[in-house]
Amino acid sequence: AQKITQTQPGMFVQEKEAVTLDCTYDTSDQSYGLFWYKQPSSGEMIFLIYQGSYDEQNATEGRYSLNFQKARKSANLVISASQLGDSAMYFCAMREASFGNEKLTFGTGTRLTIIP
Amino acid sequence: DVKVTQSSRYLVKRTGEKVFLECVQDMDHENMFWYRQDPGLGLRLIYFSYDVKMKEKGDIPEGYSVSREKKERFSLILESASTNQTSMYLCASSTRVGVDYGYTFGSGTRLTVV
Repeated sequence: AQKITQTQPGMFVQEKEAVTLDCTYDTSDQSYGLFWYKQPSSGEMIFLIYQGSYDEQNATEGRYSLNFQKARKSANLVISASQLGDSAMYFCAMREASFGNEKLTFGTGTRLTIIP
Repeated sequence: DVKVTQSSRYLVKRTGEKVFLECVQDMDHENMFWYRQDPGLGLRLIYFSYDVKMKEKGDIPEGYSVSREKKERFSLILESASTNQTSMYLCASSTRVGVDYGYTFGSGTRLTVV
């Protein structure tokens, strides 16, 4: 079974609109972390936001917020007021907190295109 | 700024060649990772290392090996390059210190095997 599922291979959104990128995960650990990364066409991976499984509040970083629904095992990224520079690949990832486990497991990504 | 530097941005190699991809980080991070990225498959972990001279297999280690002789350097080795190893290779590092163990990535090496 996929540990991280991103069901939207591609999305087109009008500039200035909000956009939600879906991510569901599968783990039996109680302690885990969820990450979102952005990859522009230049190729570098840019860390956007982190949510810990025990965090009671949804994480926010500027225009990025993470809609964390633990019971549903979903960790959707919300980008408010989208900009042309938001066009990129977006990856959801999970770190399970088994002892000594520092690995991140990534989803297949969503390609977001912002339309002027 | 934390920096993870990959020695080559683009690389073209012939089938059967031994290929070395180098990665250096300057933040004294304990953990280093090699991923490959393919369209529709996301990032898949090849090998990782938690300390000098330590290595662990990831999800797709076949056809690869690694070396970590110094803390700051993690090398990925393709023993005999094949065309199905044409891909984007991403190196990353992380530290165990801190609340969120996010990765810092290098800018990637796009390898083409012909």
